Amino acid sequence: EAGVTQFPSHSVIEKGQTVTLRCDPISGHDNLYWYRRVMGKEIKFLLHFVKESKQDESGMPNNRFLAERTGGTYSTLKVQPAELEDSGVYFCASSQWTSAYNEQFFGPGTRLTVL
Amino acid sequence: DQQVKQNSPSLSVQEGRISILNCDYTNSMFDYFLWYKKYPAEGPTFLISISSIKDKNEDGRFTVFLNKSAKHLSLHIVPSQPGDSAVYFCAVPTNNAGNMLTFGGGTRLMVKP
Repeated sequence: EAGVTQFPSHSVIEKGQTVTLRCDPISGHDNLYWYRRVMGKEIKFLLHFVKESKQDESGMPNNRFLAERTGGTYSTLKVQPAELEDSGVYFCASSQWTSAYNEQFFGPGTRLTVL
Repeated sequence: DQQVKQNSPSLSVQEGRISILNCDYTNSMFDYFLWYKKYPAEGPTFLISISSIKDKNEDGRFTVFLNKSAKHLSLHIVPSQPGDSAVYFCAVPTNNAGNMLTFGGGTRLMVKP
């Protein structure tokens, strides 16, 4: 069974440009999460989808970040315009159930560098 | 203010010895704790968890201890193996639904052959 996949693995852009990250969760997983790790620090929650609906977006840093999950399958996270502080590794995770403490499976991450 | 803290950014241990990784948390209401392991260029993978109704959970070479009065948990790996070299994160579900994970900063474990 394929795990969580993310594309691209690396992205280098200039400040002010737009970048779109993609996540494909494990097939059949209704729950999809975005996290990011900035400057090698802790991994921070960004948001949670249940199917195509945003369940919790309390971790989104500002309105330059837009996440979508049309059709409840893959998700995209767009950063527009990108700033230097957006550099980091963006992880996507998925889980089968919405119930508490259901194991989240993480993708390999997208390393974003904003110059 | 960080809700989950790992104060040791790195730890070096000889193969065969015990590795002890520590994690402190701030909220006594947290009731479930997890450890994730992360290799370079990979995402974190779930390792072991513990509920607050327990003070110990063991899975093979990995044991997690929970000290609720001290708001402290630790992960013991014994015997340590070179393949255990990775970054270890403790994590806690911190929202009411129990599915938003808050992570510590991670501890890089290096097991020397």
